[in-house]
Parts: sequence; C-alpha cells; structure tokens
Amino acid sequence: AQSVTQLDSQVPVFEEAPVELRCNYSSSVSVYLFWYVQYPNQGLQLLLKYLSGSTLVKGINGFEAEFNKSQTSFHLRKPSVHISDTAEYFCAVSDTGANNLFFGTGTRLTVIP
Amino acid sequence: DSGVTQTPKHLITATGQRVTLRCSPRSGDLSVYWYQQSLDQGLQFLIQYYNGEERAKGNILERFSAQQFPDLHSELNLSSLELGDSALYFCASSVGGRRTGELFFGEGSRLTVL
Repeated sequence: AQSVTQLDSQVPVFEEAPVELRCNYSSSVSVYLFWYVQYPNQGLQLLLKYLSGSTLVKGINGFEAEFNKSQTSFHLRKPSVHISDTAEYFCAVSDTGANNLFFGTGTRLTVIP
Repeated sequence: DSGVTQTPKHLITATGQRVTLRCSPRSGDLSVYWYQQSLDQGLQFLIQYYNGEERAKGNILERFSAQQFPDLHSELNLSSLELGDSALYFCASSVGGRRTGELFFGEGSRLTVL
C-alpha cells in the first residue's frame, strides 16, 4: 500500500517570500502524485498532478512541484506567495492502477502580510 | 464552484441516531467518492461507487453504508452514531472509475454528534 508523509503541519511565511511544502511518499510500485488545496470552508481542489513524463509539474496559481523518485518526494513550491495562498495543502498518492488515493495529513500555509 | 453538491451543509444529532448525507456529482461524472475529514485522522477515504456499483472500499465502518442511485447521486448512511463520528464528510466525483485524473470535491457536510 501507499502512504504519504507531510513533514510540516504548519508553515508560516511572509507575503512575497518563497515557500516549499514537503511531501514524501512510500510505495513499492509506480505512483501517481497530486497536490490539492483546501481554502477555508471549501472542498479540496486540484493544484497539480504528476502521472508521467517531465518530473517538474506546473499547476494553477503559480505553484509547481518536482517528482524525485530516488528521494521519494514530491515537494510543492511557489517563488512568491500571496495572502490569498493561505490554505491547507494536501499531498496525495495513488498506485498507477489508481485503485486508491491516499492523502497526507495536510500542511496549513499561513501567509503573513 | 466544483459542480458537486452536498446536503446538508451542517447537521447536529445525538449519539445512537442515524443520518443520511446526500451527494450530487458533477454532470457527466460516473464515479462518486466519500471521504471523512477529522482533526485526529486527517482525510480518510471511505468508499467509491462507479456507475451504481461499489468500486473500492477504504476505512469505512460497518455502521456506515453508501449507495449510488441510477441518476448517479449518492447517499452515505451513518447509523448508531458515536461522538467520534463528528467530522466533515466530503463527496467527490470524477469522470472515470480510476483516479488518474482530477477529483472534484463538494463543500462537505459537517456532522456534529452530541
């Protein structure tokens, strides 16, 4: 089975500063990887996904993530954050048979003015 | 707006009671997924239906059951409720049965068991 570890439960960062949210996964098979965002009082929405091909994936709102197979990581980055990026971010993994989708425990990003 | 509709948005009930949560997927989506989000357990996959049939099962308790109807809406039934069942229950939908693509989430139903 797959699992996901999000190392930081909370990340405060000043506006316009860069941010990296860390995600490591565990799997004995090939995986698909996802980042979802949850704004306050809303459901989750997809930021970006890695299925195959280029290991650098670009998503919405200026976010990107890099798949690193040797380090089993899929860290999320943004070069300059905005107040509106304040939200909970979830990393998720599934096997390539897509039989299940496992979410991490989430990282709460707080952007400080 | 994801196009996924969940009702009710909030529900308060007592231990031992039974509730039903309803989900209407996006138009054209055949798969419906149910997730439970709580502070101590995070986001847990409960169950998936595809075109009316159960496709995958996660950490769903025996006290919980779900179904998907011919019009593709789904209901999650929670019975013999316990305090620990208090959580946010999300429904998500997707076009196909396999999660290679995007899941579209509703805004959730917040259940409080007193």
